[in-house]
Amino acid sequence: GAVVSQHPSRVICKSGTSVKIECRSLDFQATTMFWYRQFPKKSLMLMATSNEGSKATYEQGVEKDKFLINHASLTLSTLTVTSAHPEDSSFYICSARALQAHQPQHFGDGTRLSIL
Amino acid sequence: QKEVEQNSGPLSVPEGAIASLNCTYSDRGSQSFFWYRQYSGKSPELIMSIYSNGDKEDGRFTAQLNKASQYVSLLIRDSQPSDSATYLCAVTRFVDDYKLSFGAGTTVTVRA
Repeated sequence: GAVVSQHPSRVICKSGTSVKIECRSLDFQATTMFWYRQFPKKSLMLMATSNEGSKATYEQGVEKDKFLINHASLTLSTLTVTSAHPEDSSFYICSARALQAHQPQHFGDGTRLSIL
Repeated sequence: QKEVEQNSGPLSVPEGAIASLNCTYSDRGSQSFFWYRQYSGKSPELIMSIYSNGDKEDGRFTAQLNKASQYVSLLIRDSQPSDSATYLCAVTRFVDDYKLSFGAGTTVTVRA
């Protein structure tokens, strides 16, 4: 149980392109979803927290207009990297957790984004 | 002071041995404690979760929590080469929307 599906797993695109990444909880209702970014050999960096039906809460230093997050249902959240540039190249990972106390975050497989 | 501290390692153990990973946290309000395993280039995978003081066992893994000492540990028994990975200690509080505070991770290498 507790499967989180993230799609696509890899994206290579030209500078200026907008890229949408989907995160789905397959077998539970995810009241909260999280988006992370990770650089090679570094820790995960939380970008934003998303509660279903609410605006996302962004961490300090993360541009909300650059990284658009939508959490329209209890099983789907999307991250759109708008007008992506080479510096946006990174490993993006989503996670989801159910409402109940003590529930862990379950992570998707990640999306490796490369902007040329 | 970092919120969550782990031995950075690397920790090298022979196959079949016990790997012992330690983690301390600074916030006494922390409520849930997790160990994740992350292979290079992959996303984290939940290994263990623990909420109450004491030991919790799942297969070859045992998590130990001591809230008074603000300490959580993970033991990996009969270590296998496939256990070679970075292990992340993480804690949450409900007041923070259950955001995970991660330690820096301990890299474990199991020698065949």
